[in-house]
Amino acid sequence: AQTVTQSQPEMSVQEAETVTLSCTYDTSESDYYLFWYKQPPSRQMILVIRQEAYKQQNATENRFSVNFQKAAKSFSLKISDSQLGDAAMYFCAYTIYGGATNKLIFGTGTLLAVQP
Amino acid sequence: DGGITQSPKYLFRKEGQNVTLSCEQNLNHDAMYWYRQDPGQGLRLIYYSQIVNDFQKGDIAEGYSVSREKKESFPLTVTSAQKNPTAFYLCASSIWGRSALPHQPQHFGDGTRLSIL
Repeated sequence: AQTVTQSQPEMSVQEAETVTLSCTYDTSESDYYLFWYKQPPSRQMILVIRQEAYKQQNATENRFSVNFQKAAKSFSLKISDSQLGDAAMYFCAYTIYGGATNKLIFGTGTLLAVQP
Repeated sequence: DGGITQSPKYLFRKEGQNVTLSCEQNLNHDAMYWYRQDPGQGLRLIYYSQIVNDFQKGDIAEGYSVSREKKESFPLTVTSAQKNPTAFYLCASSIWGRSALPHQPQHFGDGTRLSIL
């Protein structure tokens, strides 16, 4: 069974500093997608970044980048130049490439606080 | 603007009562999903639908029912059989079909918080 694990329930970072959120996953599939979603206090889920497993190059989106280690089944999110608006719950998620359901499997989340 | 609308934002259920959560999208997406969010457990899939008049159970379907009579709408009914309904419910939609590969991301609504009276 596919599982996603986020081992850091809470993290804190100073404004303008860099923080890394950890995620590991378990799957027997070779082709899949990984995602980081952000959920601010408004509770809406916002896609931050995604990574295709068949791509070796790590995905980047402005201040957000990932460190994808396929052999280790690790998918960490790095936030550079942290801003107050980055404070939110962050969820790591997984789905099978070409799967029958497009079903997302989520981790339990990491609550990120940004200190001014 | 295209998007997903969930209503109501807050809902209260009495013992033995069925309640229905609304989810409407104007993104012309084929697939729609319902997730439940509990503290410390992330999101779990309740039901999903890939086409009109068809839907499938997710991981925690017991005590819930859905319908998909229109492409735009995917209401979720929390029945009296669901003994612990207090949670935050999120609806999502996405493009679906092999023509939509690679993976199309799911778009989420703002959620409905359900509580027991």
